[in-house]
Amino acid sequence: DIRMTQSPSSLSASVGDRVTITCQASQDIGNYLNWYQHKPGEAPKLLIYDASTLVTGVSSRFSGSGSGTDFTFTISSLQPEDIATYYCQRYDNVPPYPFGQGTKLDI
Amino acid sequence: QVQLVQSGAEVKKPGASVKISCKASGYTFTNYFMHWVRQAPGQGLEWMGIINPRGGSTDYAQQFQGRVTMTRDTATSTVYMELSSLRSDDTAIFYCARGRFWGQGTLVIVSS
Repeated sequence: DIRMTQSPSSLSASVGDRVTITCQASQDIGNYLNWYQHKPGEAPKLLIYDASTLVTGVSSRFSGSGSGTDFTFTISSLQPEDIATYYCQRYDNVPPYPFGQGTKLDI
Repeated sequence: QVQLVQSGAEVKKPGASVKISCKASGYTFTNYFMHWVRQAPGQGLEWMGIINPRGGSTDYAQQFQGRVTMTRDTATSTVYMELSSLRSDDTAIFYCARGRFWGQGTLVIVSS
């Protein structure tokens, strides 16, 4: 099975900082990668799909890039409401679809 | 608008089974696969499996094979996830999900 390795596992940053999270697949997954934001007590929220496409209505300070095995998620200017845990997840036509280990972001 | 509404919280004893429902509305039920995801306390998101509502075919994560069964009822646009032989470490919030749309989550507590 394809494994997803996400780093770092936790990150502390200041308001206004640029924040970057990486996700590496053990095999080429093309651009079939989602990024989710998960806040306590809420359902996860899909922010980016196909590695770099922003979901409608999601702030443009979130972005994603990469293809193949190496992917990056960026928050251009961290805001207090961005405090959450972020996950990558591969999604193509061949299950399973594991999540990365998650990156807990705080200020 | 798309909505996924899950059944309510459950408390189960070790060894029992739990069956959670997820009722979909606002779209053509058979056109989209449905995932099940769980989050145990203090842990990350864990993908459990996927069901194709059109034909009912399923794929399960290896760690749940033999214990999980996903089914659907096209008449009511509802998918179900049943987890058997429950252990205390199955205590978690379970979600159904279809891409950007997620259910509200169902808390399952396994305790003697």
